Amino acid sequence: AIRMTQSPSSFSASTGDRVTITCRASQGISHYLAWYQQKPGKAPKLLISFASTLQSGVPSRFSGSGSGTDFTLTITYLQSEDFATYFCQHYHSYPRTFGQGTKVEI
Amino acid sequence: EEQLVESGGGLVQPGGSLGLSCAASGLTFGSYWMSWVRQAPGKGLEWVANIKPDGSDENYVDSVKGRFTISRDNAKNSLFLQMNSLRPEDTAVYFCARDLSGTLVHWGQGTLVTVSS
Repeated sequence: AIRMTQSPSSFSASTGDRVTITCRASQGISHYLAWYQQKPGKAPKLLISFASTLQSGVPSRFSGSGSGTDFTLTITYLQSEDFATYFCQHYHSYPRTFGQGTKVEI
Repeated sequence: EEQLVESGGGLVQPGGSLGLSCAASGLTFGSYWMSWVRQAPGKGLEWVANIKPDGSDENYVDSVKGRFTISRDNAKNSLFLQMNSLRPEDTAVYFCARDLSGTLVHWGQGTLVTVSS
């Protein structure tokens, strides 16, 4: 199975900050990478597919980049509602696997 | 509005069985792959299984192969997960999700399965 490794696992930030989360795949996955946001007690929400395609309704301060094995999720000008845990997930092959998550805290 | 509602979770003893359901509304259910994803308490996400729109193809994570079976009833807009030989490590919130080419575009709120004696 392809292993997805996110960094950092957690960090503290402030509103207005620019935040970058990285996700590394143990083997090349082309651009078959999605990013999700999860808030406590809620289901995850898809933010980005195909590494950089923003889903409808997701604010433009979210962006994704990368291909192959290295990917990033960037949040420019962090808002209060962005404090959450973020997961990457590959869908290059089976089994789909997720990164361990990155918790963005105040 | 698209809605997925899971049910069937609960407390079960190790070695026992449990069946989960996911009722779909607001979408053309029979047109989409569907997935189950689980999340152990305080932990990350684990994709469990998915099934083709017509039910003719299924995929599973290795840890549940031979124990879990995913199925669907398109006439009833329902997705199922039959879980047998349950282990304590299967304890998790189980989410159903619409699977669009591998991305999980819409999720239910989940149902908790606890495997404990």
